[in-house]
Amino acid sequence: QVTLRESGPALVKPTQTLTLTCTFSGFSLTTSGMCVSWIRQPPEKALEWLALIDWDDAKHYSTSLKTRLTISKDTSKNQVVLTITNMDPVDTATYYCARTRSNGGGYMDVWGNGTTVIVSS
Amino acid sequence: DIQMTQSPSSLSASVGDRVTITCRASQSVSRYLNWYQQKPGRAPKLLIYVASSLQSGVPSRFSGSGSGTNFTLTISSLQPEDFATYYCQQSYSILTFGPGTKVDMK
Repeated sequence: QVTLRESGPALVKPTQTLTLTCTFSGFSLTTSGMCVSWIRQPPEKALEWLALIDWDDAKHYSTSLKTRLTISKDTSKNQVVLTITNMDPVDTATYYCARTRSNGGGYMDVWGNGTTVIVSS
Repeated sequence: DIQMTQSPSSLSASVGDRVTITCRASQSVSRYLNWYQQKPGRAPKLLIYVASSLQSGVPSRFSGSGSGTNFTLTISSLQPEDFATYYCQQSYSILTFGPGTKVDMK
């Protein structure tokens, strides 16, 4: 069974750096075609894809946010970490990680439950 | 980046109705188009990948079609559990989602 779980602080102050961790099980990020994406959703708004890391350690970022994002993986711990610098209240959102299958489609077939982050002083 | 649009942004329908949602890309994405369903307070769920492939476990009343820039998601007979928001997502280049279509009860 494939599962993913997001963890991180529920509250951060403006200008701080947010670090989120995705801990997964049931698949390996060393398997060809396996990736993990981060996606966020502000309250009552649409989904926004943020970043992806693949089995070969290639990294891809949202064009609009790439200067603030860093994605990394620790395959020994089955974790993917996303950092977002210079947090702002507009970054308040639920943050999801999702397994992403690049072979044959680039689709996100299993999602975590999400973690809510509020940016406020 | 490739921009995605969806129409309508919302619709009201009844159980048993046939529902069609359209997704358009600002440039061709070939068939690299996926559909998700999201219910309030829940994570999105993959329904359709590469335009028309039904994800395992998804009821056959859901279907997808299209290629290039125009895609549709069809629910052949709307069920009570289908009231939700639906998103398209392209994976041809840097991933992007559409703005969503909310399906609610008439």
